[in-house]
Amino acid sequence: SQKIEQNSEALNIQEGKTATLTCNYTNYSPAYLQWYRQDPGRGPVFLLLIRENEKEKRKERLKVTFDTTLKQSLFHITASQPADSATYLCALEGTGGFKTIFGAGTRLFVKA
Amino acid sequence: DAGVTQSPTHLIKTRGQQVTLRCSPKSGHDTVSWYQQALGQGPQFIFQYYEEEERQRGNFPDRFSGHQFPNYSSELNVNALLLGDSALYLCASRVGSLNYGYTFGSGTRLTVV
Repeated sequence: SQKIEQNSEALNIQEGKTATLTCNYTNYSPAYLQWYRQDPGRGPVFLLLIRENEKEKRKERLKVTFDTTLKQSLFHITASQPADSATYLCALEGTGGFKTIFGAGTRLFVKA
Repeated sequence: DAGVTQSPTHLIKTRGQQVTLRCSPKSGHDTVSWYQQALGQGPQFIFQYYEEEERQRGNFPDRFSGHQFPNYSSELNVNALLLGDSALYLCASRVGSLNYGYTFGSGTRLTVV
């Protein structure tokens, strides 16, 4: 069955450093990969989408890479801030966009 | 511009009861997906609606059903509630089948006792 794996352990980093989160998947050939941020008690907020034929995408302090051979995406937050502390979810979607499946998320803590 | 609106925000039901959750998508969005999120887990796909039709369904029993209205708003119905149905139910919307990210509501917290 389709499976998405994200670091189950929380990631603790110092303010100003780069946070790198990993998303691995199996038994799936997604056309699109998305990253979301979720704060406690709130719905996820869309951050970035990358297509299968794209290697990298950037938005302000965020960078996403997508390696369809390794079946892996890396999500980077540069110059991290305490306000970046949240859970980050990876999501995969096939062609057609009927169904988007999510990983369990990685909790990020940025210390001042 | 209002985003996705869900109601109610919190709900307590007894085992065996039925519940209806409501969602108004973001203005201009015509596709609605429903997700169930247990504590500490990622959202689990329930189903997606477009043009009032269910386009795809996740691994949820028939006790979970839905509907989309002509104004694109949607309802999620759950019959014969089980304790395990306790979760945050999220509604997400976007435009058609264009592969952009979803806009999520803040969810309905359902507790089954």
